[in-house]
Amino acid sequence: EADIYQTPRYLVIGTGKKITLECSQTMGHDKMYWYQQDPGMELHLIHYSYGVNSTEKGDLSSESTVSRIRTEHFPLTLESARPSHTSQYLCASSELSPGTSSDTQYFGPGTRLTVL
Amino acid sequence: DAKTTQPNSMESNEEEPVHLPCNHSTISGTDYIHWYRQLPSQGPEYVIHGLTSNVNNRMASLAIAEDRKSSTLILHRATLRDAAVYYCILWNGGSQGNLIFGKGTKLSVKP
Repeated sequence: EADIYQTPRYLVIGTGKKITLECSQTMGHDKMYWYQQDPGMELHLIHYSYGVNSTEKGDLSSESTVSRIRTEHFPLTLESARPSHTSQYLCASSELSPGTSSDTQYFGPGTRLTVL
Repeated sequence: DAKTTQPNSMESNEEEPVHLPCNHSTISGTDYIHWYRQLPSQGPEYVIHGLTSNVNNRMASLAIAEDRKSSTLILHRATLRDAAVYYCILWNGGSQGNLIFGKGTKLSVKP
């Protein structure tokens, strides 16, 4: 059973607000990810981290930022939300095991963000 | 990155086997074949992965062609809970790489 949590599950806010989406995992995983997914569309990797103080940009450019101060916590921040940011945001984690056959990622339930 | 090709959608009847195909003609020798699925309104979940040999676990079986240019995810008895989008992904096992989710196959299961 995956122990990865995201809050809030749903968020409706007005344009220009600053928001932080929370993601926490209790599995001690080093690697964490943020994906963005519009309804019925593909998942796109927007940020990932190899561990504390490591953050990398993913394949899809995003105006959001992330931080990794603690192993278990990987929050995503939007300084000024816009309607174009409306989407589902999914957080995931995996063990960092170079040279192994599996990068099994465990996903949280997601945050559905609506910016008015 | 090596790409995969999957049908956009498939239909199955409940309690019948389902064979979900995936083509990966440009697969490299170090690429593992991973399958994830995403149930409605949920995040994806790991299903199975393999390199060359066929693999079985409690969720599914993975049949890999001898030339590795294609693979098939087999659900032995589809249930309504198996209705999901199934993603076939190649990953080379390196710490620097990331899984790239494509469009996947949307599986519908009819009662």
